Amino acid sequence: GESVGLHLPTLSVQEGDNSIINCAYSNSASDYFIWYKQESGKGPQFIIDIRSNMDKRQGQRVTVLLNKTVKHLSLQIAATQPGDSAVYFCAEGTGFQKLVFGTGTRLLVSP
Amino acid sequence: ETGVTQSPTHLIKTRGQQVTLRCSSQSGHNTVSWYQQALGQGPQFIFQYYREEENGRGNFPPRFSGLQFPNYSSELNVNALELDDSALYLCASSLWTGGEDTQYFGPGTRLTVL
Repeated sequence: GESVGLHLPTLSVQEGDNSIINCAYSNSASDYFIWYKQESGKGPQFIIDIRSNMDKRQGQRVTVLLNKTVKHLSLQIAATQPGDSAVYFCAEGTGFQKLVFGTGTRLLVSP
Repeated sequence: ETGVTQSPTHLIKTRGQQVTLRCSSQSGHNTVSWYQQALGQGPQFIFQYYREEENGRGNFPPRFSGLQFPNYSSELNVNALELDDSALYLCASSLWTGGEDTQYFGPGTRLTVL
């Protein structure tokens, strides 16, 4: 069946470090990938997305890398700040809008 | 803020009861999706509505049903509540133009079934 998983359940970094959150997906038909950030008590907040015809996309302080060969997705956060502390989810979609989420990685940023 | 609102924020029900959760989509969005998020897990897709019609469904029983209204607000109804229905229920709205479009989530409704 479809599944999206993450390698590390918790990632602890120091303020100012770069963070890398990884995600493996299993559905090779997925053509759309998204990273969401979820803070306690809130809904998921869109960070960045990438289509399957791309392998890299950059936003403000964030970069998403897609490796379709090994079905791997990563989110890089530059100069991590305490406000980046949250749970990060990757999700995959297959054209119409159903998203399959992983279980999430908790990012802890120490000042 | 995403412009997506949900009500109520929290809700407590007992097993066997029925519940209705509400979502107000971002202005102009024609698609709403509902997700169930159990504690410590990622959201699970329940179903999606596009222009008031169900447009896809996840692995949830028929006692989970929904409605989408012409003003793009929507409801999630759950009948015969079970303890395992306790979760955060999220709605997400998007403007579907035929491809992949960003879904914007509301803050969720926390449902507790006793």
